[in-house]
Amino acid sequence: AQTVTQSQPEMSVQEAETVTLSCTYDTSESDYYLFWYKQPPSRQMILVIRQEAYKQQNATENRFSVNFQKAAKSFSLKISDSQLGDAAMYFCAYRSNYGGATNKLIFGTGTLLAVQP
Amino acid sequence: EAGVVQSPRYKIIEKKQPVAFWCNPISGHNTLYWYRQNLGQGPELLIRYENEEAVDDSQLPKDRFSAERLKGVDSTLKIQPAELGDSAVYLCASSLEAGDYGYTFGSGTRLTVV
Repeated sequence: AQTVTQSQPEMSVQEAETVTLSCTYDTSESDYYLFWYKQPPSRQMILVIRQEAYKQQNATENRFSVNFQKAAKSFSLKISDSQLGDAAMYFCAYRSNYGGATNKLIFGTGTLLAVQP
Repeated sequence: EAGVVQSPRYKIIEKKQPVAFWCNPISGHNTLYWYRQNLGQGPELLIRYENEEAVDDSQLPKDRFSAERLKGVDSTLKIQPAELGDSAVYLCASSLEAGDYGYTFGSGTRLTVV
């Protein structure tokens, strides 16, 4: 079974600085997707960025980028120019691409990011 | 677009009482998911629907939990009777087909069982 591990329960960053959140996962599959979701106090999970395992190029979305190391099974999120609105819980998630019962997101335990003004 | 709508936002009940949560997915999304998020944890899948068919309910505690998605649109998740350990946030999500581009989540229902 696949697992997702986030080893940083909490992180803090100064406004306008850069922070990196870590995520590792365990799988024997070669075809999958990885996601980072943001969960503010409103509880809604908001998709931040998505990476296909077959794409070697790291995904970027404005101030958010990932460092995807497939061999190391590592998927870290970098937030540049941090803003107060970035403060939230961040979850790393895995989804198999083999269809059927594998169509589900498997989440890590989350990293609580605080942004200091 | 209204997004995934869930109600109620909060619910407090006594143990052994029944409770129901409602979810209306994004129009056109044929796949609907119910997740449970315990305090300090990531969400875990309870059940997944493709249209009106429950295609993965392996993690649903069937002795007390039930769900339905009539007509393949909105869905209801029920707990009867509730236990103290059921206190959690219940999240609903929807996606097009397999969800290759991620799922859209609602704001969840926070259930407290006392």
